[in-house]
Amino acid sequence: GAGVSQTPSNKVTEKGKYVELRCDPISGHTALYWYRQSLGQGPEFLIYFQGTGAADDSGLPNDRFFAVRPEGSVSTLKIQRTERGDSAVYLCASSSGPNTEAFFGQGTRLTVV
Amino acid sequence: AQSVAQPEDQVNVAEGNPLTVKCTYSVSGNPYLFWYVQYPNRGLQFLLKYITGDNLVKGSYGFEAEFNKSQTSFHLKKPSALVSDSALYFCAVRDLLFSGGYNKLIFGAGTRLAVHP
Repeated sequence: GAGVSQTPSNKVTEKGKYVELRCDPISGHTALYWYRQSLGQGPEFLIYFQGTGAADDSGLPNDRFFAVRPEGSVSTLKIQRTERGDSAVYLCASSSGPNTEAFFGQGTRLTVV
Repeated sequence: AQSVAQPEDQVNVAEGNPLTVKCTYSVSGNPYLFWYVQYPNRGLQFLLKYITGDNLVKGSYGFEAEFNKSQTSFHLKKPSALVSDSALYFCAVRDLLFSGGYNKLIFGAGTRLAVHP
């Protein structure tokens, strides 16, 4: 595709529910990143995929957060038992290699009520 | 500790005047440095990067940034601001010692640039 696509653009969920956020990277990009941007702050690293494997998940805040990229393209960020503190914009980025600049999607704004 | 500081929450500039958005960083190894811009309801857009070489880096939309190792700074500049430059600007650093060979970026909190006609 022309750019990184994230769906949905907005998601409102009730506390305790499960949500999935989808990222469709630029075609051919092997590296994929998830970041989280809270209000008034810069993005914070969550997880990095090279191909299908999660090479670095050190930024995931706890075990309620999980991400997959089964075929090395589309990735899904999964959040279980959502809490109000999970409310943020979740950004996905991809790059053609681990050392090239990352291109970001528009983000998914998650609101937990 | 690795960190990025953007000391100004907001920068106000008159159209046609030069602009500077400040960024300082702290890393243990050598830095890769980036500037991204975020327009309302849009994702982060890459502006420019410094990896090695010339300390003055030129990027998109007429922006440039100067890497200063002694001052650990990477300020974003533009000779003549446009109203359309109004947006949120983020500085980011990759610590080559800890990034594991990929773009694990540490972002600043952002600076809102307002260019007035």
